[in-house]
Amino acid sequence: AQRVTQPEKLLSVFKGAPVELKCNYSYSGSPELFWYVQYSRQRLQLLLRHISRESIKGFTADLNKGETSFHLKKPFAQEEDSAMYYCALNPGNTPLVFGKGTRLSVIA
Amino acid sequence: KAGVTQTPRYLIKTRGQQVTLSCSPISGHRSVSWYQQTPGQGLQFLFEYFSETQRNKGNFPGRFSGRQFSNSRSEMNVSTLELGDSALYLCASGFQSGRDTQYFGPGTRLTVL
Repeated sequence: AQRVTQPEKLLSVFKGAPVELKCNYSYSGSPELFWYVQYSRQRLQLLLRHISRESIKGFTADLNKGETSFHLKKPFAQEEDSAMYYCALNPGNTPLVFGKGTRLSVIA
Repeated sequence: KAGVTQTPRYLIKTRGQQVTLSCSPISGHRSVSWYQQTPGQGLQFLFEYFSETQRNKGNFPGRFSGRQFSNSRSEMNVSTLELGDSALYLCASGFQSGRDTQYFGPGTRLTVL
């Protein structure tokens, strides 16, 4: 079964500290993975997708097929990064499978 | 391009009533998916429509139904509302399902009293 696990419900870091939001997936095929972010009072929006291999707002994520992980990283957290982050798996012809989300709180 | 729009933004209903939520996708998008978002369960998939056909359905009771019109606009209906139906209902659109990026609307906040 397809599943996305985000082990941390809440992650608190100090401003300027590195951030790593964990995401593990279960999928037998070739996965396509995304990170979505939801800032306070804003709609859910795409942050990045693994096939793009780009850095958005300083965030990067590398797909590790051996560990079935797609962790989101940023070297120096900013207060404006505080938000809810969802990892999502797109299995192909079925809808996105979301993790339960991690709330990132960046402390000044 | 205008983003995904959802109406109404807020709804308050009482148990036993029914409700209809509307979603207008981005122009040119033919796929519309619905999700229920709650603090405890996160985002749970309800159903997906493509070209007026329901392509996928999540694990929700039959009280939850939906449809899509020829202009790709979609509606979802919840009958016989229960307290546990209180949630943010999100609609997302894409060119077609599969590996396209999903663009989300602002959601409809449903409160059942």
